[in-house]
Amino acid sequence: QKEVEQDPGPLSVPEGAIVSLNCTYSNSAFQYFMWYRQYSRKGPELLMYTYSSGNKEDGRFTAQVDKSSKYISLFIRDSQPSDSATYLCAMSPLTGANSKLTFGKGITLSVRP
Amino acid sequence: NAGVMQNPRHLVRRRGQEARLRCSPMKGHSHVYWYRQLPEEGLKFMVYLQKENIIDESGMPKERFSAEFPKEGPSILRIQQVVRGDSAAYFCASSRTGGTGELFFGEGSRLTVL
Repeated sequence: QKEVEQDPGPLSVPEGAIVSLNCTYSNSAFQYFMWYRQYSRKGPELLMYTYSSGNKEDGRFTAQVDKSSKYISLFIRDSQPSDSATYLCAMSPLTGANSKLTFGKGITLSVRP
Repeated sequence: NAGVMQNPRHLVRRRGQEARLRCSPMKGHSHVYWYRQLPEEGLKFMVYLQKENIIDESGMPKERFSAEFPKEGPSILRIQQVVRGDSAAYFCASSRTGGTGELFFGEGSRLTVL
């Protein structure tokens, strides 16, 4: 079993839809959970960052972590064509976090006008 | 993303040649990380460096790969005697701190081995 599993996609939705992206993980040591967005031929950029369980909202984006189920989600409300990109979940343990980031494979989202 | 500079953006090498990828971190960042993204795979950690020190190289292949971050100049990821399986996008990231500070990624160097 891989440490981090992400729905493979791709995913295509109409503009304005609510998008739900999910990852599961097996390593209970993970404490920090992140979502990165990667446009084609670009580097990943940090979108959301949460510590431990709970929800975090930032504009149209909500990150949700359920440590008991080892499950994290990213919700995008009122999706826009500019949201079309690959979304990567990433997570790390409590210490030495940046050198231990484990990424999911990423899911490519396409928002149709 | 523009703050972390990587070059070359694209590199083509024949099997057996050497590849050198360079990374200049964002201003004020002294922590550099290299990640590799193979086709259809997620980003995989390779190595974490600070100036003149390798902090964690647990993700580096044991042979042919090396990395450095000298006191002056960019960090360099060096791949000797490249093979087709080395074809990938290599991303450099930097952070201000080595703990849980935000990672800023460059746009990547795409290596193609013929």
